[in-house]
Amino acid sequence: QSVLTQPPSVSGAPGQRVTISCTGSNSNIGADYDVYWYQQLPGTAPRVLIYDNDNRPSGVPDRFSGSKSGTSASLAITGLQAEDEADYYCQSYDHSLSGCVFGSGTKISVL
Amino acid sequence: QVHLQESGPGLVKPSETLSLTCSVSNASISSYYWSWIRQSPGKGLEWIGYVYWSVNYNPSLKSRVTLSIDTSKNQFSLRLNSVTAADSAVYYCVRGRSNYGDFDYWGQGTLVTVSS
Repeated sequence: QSVLTQPPSVSGAPGQRVTISCTGSNSNIGADYDVYWYQQLPGTAPRVLIYDNDNRPSGVPDRFSGSKSGTSASLAITGLQAEDEADYYCQSYDHSLSGCVFGSGTKISVL
Repeated sequence: QVHLQESGPGLVKPSETLSLTCSVSNASISSYYWSWIRQSPGKGLEWIGYVYWSVNYNPSLKSRVTLSIDTSKNQFSLRLNSVTAADSAVYYCVRGRSNYGDFDYWGQGTLVTVSS
């Protein structure tokens, strides 16, 4: 069981806006540790999409945005495209476990 | 461009030790936090631990894991002992920008199967 909880799947039509939630607790996200988001395309290694809660590395389209509030974080994708079909993972730090923790992962499907 | 490449056996027998090495190019192994992350088939990501000037392990694996760094070769390594089928996974070596994660460069991953 993952420390950070994500919905197993989210779907949307091309052009739509979708969001993925990442729910933690007061020992990780709620303790003000930063949240990171990773995209894993089929058969490939994950790549970072969002760092430090709401920052995009160079090369990541501005269709992707991150936010954090309380014990939760969210990843939003606007203008959904077929190429966005992938698994998405949130990640943070947990001070009770003294280590990095990942979300359970969310599969985005484009209808 | 930073490049990470995993190497090691793809098949390990139950109860034996899994050993992997990650070769790092275009980044100093003496900086950053170097982690191993694994992904069982069809499952999510699991952080195993990081090595820096110190080490930090996932509590669930701590009793079986050893991470080390070889600065002369710009490599870092993973040893996981007493493996079972549950340790079969794709193992990624990853660069972290902090001890809180922030994993910015990933190796391509290597599949390790535990089977007799």
